[in-house]
Amino acid sequence: QQQVKQSPQSLIVQKGGISIINCAYENTAFDYFPWYQQFPGKGPALLIAIRPDVSEKKEGRFTISFNKSAKQFSLHIMDSQPGDSATYFCAASLLNRDDKIIFGKGTRLHILP
Amino acid sequence: DAGVIQSPRHEVTEMGQEVTLRCKPISGHDYLFWYRQTMMRGLELLIYFNNNVPIDDSGMPEDRFSAKMPNASFSTLKIQPSEPRDSAVYFCASSPSIAGNTEAFFGQGTRLTVV
Repeated sequence: QQQVKQSPQSLIVQKGGISIINCAYENTAFDYFPWYQQFPGKGPALLIAIRPDVSEKKEGRFTISFNKSAKQFSLHIMDSQPGDSATYFCAASLLNRDDKIIFGKGTRLHILP
Repeated sequence: DAGVIQSPRHEVTEMGQEVTLRCKPISGHDYLFWYRQTMMRGLELLIYFNNNVPIDDSGMPEDRFSAKMPNASFSTLKIQPSEPRDSAVYFCASSPSIAGNTEAFFGQGTRLTVV
């Protein structure tokens, strides 16, 4: 059972545009939602994360928007740059319980120069 | 710390051969994870260890796959016999905790090709 659904599978955006990746989760007990960024030939690395007590978190050009009632969250990359080209994974986990993190299937983002 | 170290970076083997992937976690991290990444299935958790003990191996696809962690600084993932459908990138990750807001640190992966 896929507990975190991510879309789109791939995305092409012009330089300077906004990249948007969406995720939906099923388990209402999830209370921590990180995003990981993976460059070609590298392992994923934590990019930004959010807790459901806030609706938005921003770090530089990266913003997570969170909709608790809809059980959805999204990553927005403003002023997208070719260096942002990577695979992005959303994920969900439980803050106060020892259990594995659940990853989405990933979105391959390509920013056109 | 040099981070999570995996070897080899690339492995090409013939169908039916045994393959062993290796991982050295970050010192002091109590948790170690093995993931498999493919285009079709994304990032799949195969197995994870806590203090060298396997906790959840429900993601291991079949009996051809086995993983061990003989000590805190070394783990192996073995496939015997290997099949072409095992071709993927295998990642090892470690973390100091498994509590939700703990970052998982990934190695650079082993790209396995079974021909």
